[in-house]
Amino acid sequence: AQSVTQLGSHVSVSEGALVLLRCNYSSSVPPYLFWYVQYPNQGLQLLLKYTSAATLVKGINGFEAEFKKSETSFHLTKPSAHMSDAAEYFCAVTGRGSTLGRLYFGRGTQLTVWP
Amino acid sequence: DTAVSQTPKYLVTQMGNDKSIKCEQNLGHDTMYWYKQDSKKFLKIMFSYNNKELIINETVPNRFSPKSPDKAHLNLHINSLELGDSAVYFCASSQEGHLYEQYFGPGTRLTVT
Repeated sequence: AQSVTQLGSHVSVSEGALVLLRCNYSSSVPPYLFWYVQYPNQGLQLLLKYTSAATLVKGINGFEAEFKKSETSFHLTKPSAHMSDAAEYFCAVTGRGSTLGRLYFGRGTQLTVWP
Repeated sequence: DTAVSQTPKYLVTQMGNDKSIKCEQNLGHDTMYWYKQDSKKFLKIMFSYNNKELIINETVPNRFSPKSPDKAHLNLHINSLELGDSAVYFCASSQEGHLYEQYFGPGTRLTVT
């Protein structure tokens, strides 16, 4: 079975500050991991994905995430927050053995960026 | 040129009614999904279709029936609506070989009164 836990349902940062959104996974098989972003009143958009040996993954809008097997983590970071980053962020996991496209989402983290 | 579109965007109806939500994608994908997002933003898959065939059917009441007339469309019909069905329903699609890179529609906010 696969699941993810996102620590902190709300994160607030000042514009220009580091963004760190935490995600820990549980998976019975080697996982694929994803971060999706949801802007207000919109659908989800893929930010980045971990599906290979490269443990540091770069995504869109300056975000990146590092897969750490020893910590079962896949935290999302951005060096400098921008007002436009304010959104809901979802971590998701699936097992590499699955071919069905079944993603298991975390409960989301709301990012607020203060001017 | 919207990639994944849903209609309607908002749907307000009374308990006991039957309603449908339509989804269309113009990305040429052959797999489509329905997700339910509850009031706490928790997102859970309901169904998945690949080339008009049902491949994922999570534990969903049989009042919910997906229908895929072709691989570009996946509609969701809900019978005998209940208060607990109030949620945002998202349609998504993906391409074979990249099933986890899912493209989401804007969502349909269903309110049952």
